[in-house]
Amino acid sequence: NAGVTQTPKFRVLKTGQSMTLLCAQDMNHEYMYWYRQDPGMGLRLIHYSVGEGTTAKGEVPDGYNVSRLKKQNFLLGLESAAPSQTSVYFCASSYSGLAGAETQYFGPGTRLLVL
Amino acid sequence: AQSVTQLDSQVPVFEEAPVELRCNYSSSVSVYLFWYVQYPNQGLQLLLKYLSGSTLVKGINGFEAEFNKSQTSFHLRKPSVHISDTAEYFCAVRRKTSYDKVIFGPGTSLSVIP
Repeated sequence: NAGVTQTPKFRVLKTGQSMTLLCAQDMNHEYMYWYRQDPGMGLRLIHYSVGEGTTAKGEVPDGYNVSRLKKQNFLLGLESAAPSQTSVYFCASSYSGLAGAETQYFGPGTRLLVL
Repeated sequence: AQSVTQLDSQVPVFEEAPVELRCNYSSSVSVYLFWYVQYPNQGLQLLLKYLSGSTLVKGINGFEAEFNKSQTSFHLRKPSVHISDTAEYFCAVRRKTSYDKVIFGPGTSLSVIP
């Protein structure tokens, strides 16, 4: 049981390049999330999904797109990377049980540097 | 809208000393409250959560937190810290009324000094 895994662990991009971050979970969770973590700002929700085939915007969705084609995978895309997207990205997942009370399980993070 | 404040960005404490990490929140509706810990170069993991009932919540690794509705606080405490407790601690809140996102505070960096 690997929990939540993220690929890649590190990435350096040039401004304007595109990339996709992959999140996979093997816990059969319904809900999945993408966050970014910046110094002094905690975690901010980019996009989330409450089930296969559904996605929704979070607090800071601009510049990102997501897809949830399979229940276990949640992809985060950057179509045209900008230096402001330099951050650590975390994926998380949770059960759809008692709404709001479920624990989120986090991946190890992806460190992205945009030059 | 909810918000979470963690007034102390950094807390240095000597090993075996007690520690309190402060968290205050604002919300117009009832909320669930969480504390997460992030060890260096790792993702977050849940320490404890308050859903309802007893206002004193015990979590993993000897941590506990007390929910105070009148003061809208959810402070985290440990009576005796260890070097291994050095980490970033995040308080978080979520509305009870419907599915909603979790709002995280900015974090408190706990450094345990040997």
